[in-house]
Amino acid sequence: DTAVSQTPKYLVTQMGNDKSIKCEQNLGHDTMYWYKQDSKKFLKIMFSYNNKELIINETVPNRFSPKSPDKAHLNLHINSLELGDSAVYFCASSPTEFGGRNGYTFGSGTRLTVV
Amino acid sequence: GDSVTQMEGPVTLSEEAFLTINCTYTATGYPSLFWYVQYPGEGLQLLLKATKADDKGSNKGFEATYRKETTSFHLEKGSVQVSDSAVYFCALSDDQAGTALIFGKGTTLSVSS
Repeated sequence: DTAVSQTPKYLVTQMGNDKSIKCEQNLGHDTMYWYKQDSKKFLKIMFSYNNKELIINETVPNRFSPKSPDKAHLNLHINSLELGDSAVYFCASSPTEFGGRNGYTFGSGTRLTVV
Repeated sequence: GDSVTQMEGPVTLSEEAFLTINCTYTATGYPSLFWYVQYPGEGLQLLLKATKADDKGSNKGFEATYRKETTSFHLEKGSVQVSDSAVYFCALSDDQAGTALIFGKGTTLSVSS
């Protein structure tokens, strides 16, 4: 049973399209996150939800919109995709807000390529 | 704000060599410290952690000690294997700062036989 699962694993799309990435966790965690990993492997937090409430919203273009229908799911919708959005997007979860002593459990990532 | 600095890579070693990857941090509160590993094409896996000063985290032959006096959490392994080839990330969480997990830039380790 995968703890944090993301779909799709790979996504190739054209500029200007709208796409969504889905994430689900079966760990019973309260908090979920989206990170972006660029081509140099740098990881940057984008959003975080705690029990369906947005708690972190970093400086991200408003073309990116997270949605959390319940605390086990956090989806990421991206409008009007641009070449610079190409990256690997990781979903993660933690038992408590911000993670504390537990750290995060990560999904396997979604590699988005915009052409 | 809080930050993590880790040594630039890539690090290239022969099998059975000793590994050290340096990591230092800046934090406003009393952070917990982590090492994550990312194997090629995969997500991040928690390798080890330490939650207070002088704690030693260990897993799979890797060790790191939380040194508050030097604000460091260096990763070590006595004898690396080809299968250890991966990207290693140092990270901190600081609930007092109210931020998500903060990562260093990652260090790529390549081990040859």
